[in-house]
Amino acid sequence: GAGVSQSPRYKVAKRGQDVALRCDPISGHVSLFWYQQALGQGPEFLTYFQNEAQLDKSGLPSDRFFAERPEGSVSTLKIQRTQQEDSAVYLCASSPVGRTLNTGELFFGEGSRLTVL
Amino acid sequence: DQQVKQNSPSLSVQEGRISILNCDYTNSMFDYFLWYKKYPAEGPTFLISISSIKDKNEDGRFTVFLNKSAKHLSLHIVPSQPGDSAVYFCAASAPTGNQFYFGTGTSLTVIP
Repeated sequence: GAGVSQSPRYKVAKRGQDVALRCDPISGHVSLFWYQQALGQGPEFLTYFQNEAQLDKSGLPSDRFFAERPEGSVSTLKIQRTQQEDSAVYLCASSPVGRTLNTGELFFGEGSRLTVL
Repeated sequence: DQQVKQNSPSLSVQEGRISILNCDYTNSMFDYFLWYKKYPAEGPTFLISISSIKDKNEDGRFTVFLNKSAKHLSLHIVPSQPGDSAVYFCAASAPTGNQFYFGTGTSLTVIP
């Protein structure tokens, strides 16, 4: 489809396992964001890419979280040594404009729900 | 510290009546605001936005009002329809910085 695609939709991990979450943004979109949404909360910013450059990773909660977008399209969010508090929905969003313009909407994927046991 | 607040977790409205969802923010640097709608098991979808140079933006049944002095915005849905039942998030961004800040959402139920 033409929207933002995320996989897997659901992931169950044992505490201590590593997980990788994939995001396929809308083709040609410059900006890509990762957000974390805990139950009953709003999305919380994790990191921002403009093309392949990670311009902001201020929201990553620890050094166990790592994101990349090597060719400026597909992005992967990796969580090492998962903990129970990492359980959340991880949302990817893309936008056709860079953040130098404070305008434009975010197009969200359906999210990847991570449950850490 | 929550910079965007939606103080009403839920709202119920009769079909055909007006729904008013409220949002407050604390950062005076915010100058661009958006409303998103979210159905269960789906990602948020964009509804409507407003720039701080305006105080009102309308799109069909949806109108967003911005009161900069009060740091308050609201989303009006008229007339409300059962298909509008969803969680609504407001979001804001500043000219500097990369992120959009989201509120915690208001769950709207439109009763047929």
